[in-house]
Amino acid sequence: QSALTQPRSVSGSPGQSVTISCTGTSSDVGGYNYVSWYQQHPGKAPKLMIYDVSKRPSGVPDRFSGSKSGNTASLTISGLQAEDEADYYCCSYAGSYTRGYVFGTGTKVTVL
Amino acid sequence: EVQLVQSGAEVKKPGESLKISCKGSGYSFTSYWIGWVRQMPGKGLEWMGIIYPGDSDTRYSPSFQGQVTISADKSISTAYLQWSSLKASDTAMYYCVRHGSVLGQPFDYWGQGTLVTVSS
Repeated sequence: QSALTQPRSVSGSPGQSVTISCTGTSSDVGGYNYVSWYQQHPGKAPKLMIYDVSKRPSGVPDRFSGSKSGNTASLTISGLQAEDEADYYCCSYAGSYTRGYVFGTGTKVTVL
Repeated sequence: EVQLVQSGAEVKKPGESLKISCKGSGYSFTSYWIGWVRQMPGKGLEWMGIIYPGDSDTRYSPSFQGQVTISADKSISTAYLQWSSLKASDTAMYYCVRHGSVLGQPFDYWGQGTLVTVSS
């Protein structure tokens, strides 16, 4: 079962924007508008940041935005802040009777 | 307030059995799918499977099918993840997660995690 492909790391200075890609196939990312993104700080449980490709849960800053084109989804963090330094994982639904859900490989965001 | 509270850390030997738990509160336990996610040391997240406590409909990731059993007791709003014979490679943090009421919806609440260590 192949994980979705993310860059291992991205970095940016405070105030800058960074974008994390998440590449899958037509059987997951490209086949459903059920892509979500999770933020995980060291030693903590992950937190939902984006769902249904581009929707933000209540309480998530609007600096976080999501999009999708074909088999690739993206998470953009605008106006990068120190507290955004964390690991980020994408996740896609892949069909209830096949793979269920599949996570991305994870991306470490570093604030310089 | 929605909460998922997991059982405490476990240290087991290879070949032993184990059942960890996740108690939901603050919402209708029988109306939402609840699942399990594995995170091996220093590694990424892996979706293991889900159960719908309302009717015990259970789905597994092909990677975990036959390796673990997911169950739930709706009378006490608790989901379980169990192993019949642990291996050293089962050493990981395990999170329970609440899905939406419809498959495809995201994991909106996470438990605090249960660390399982399997070592001889």
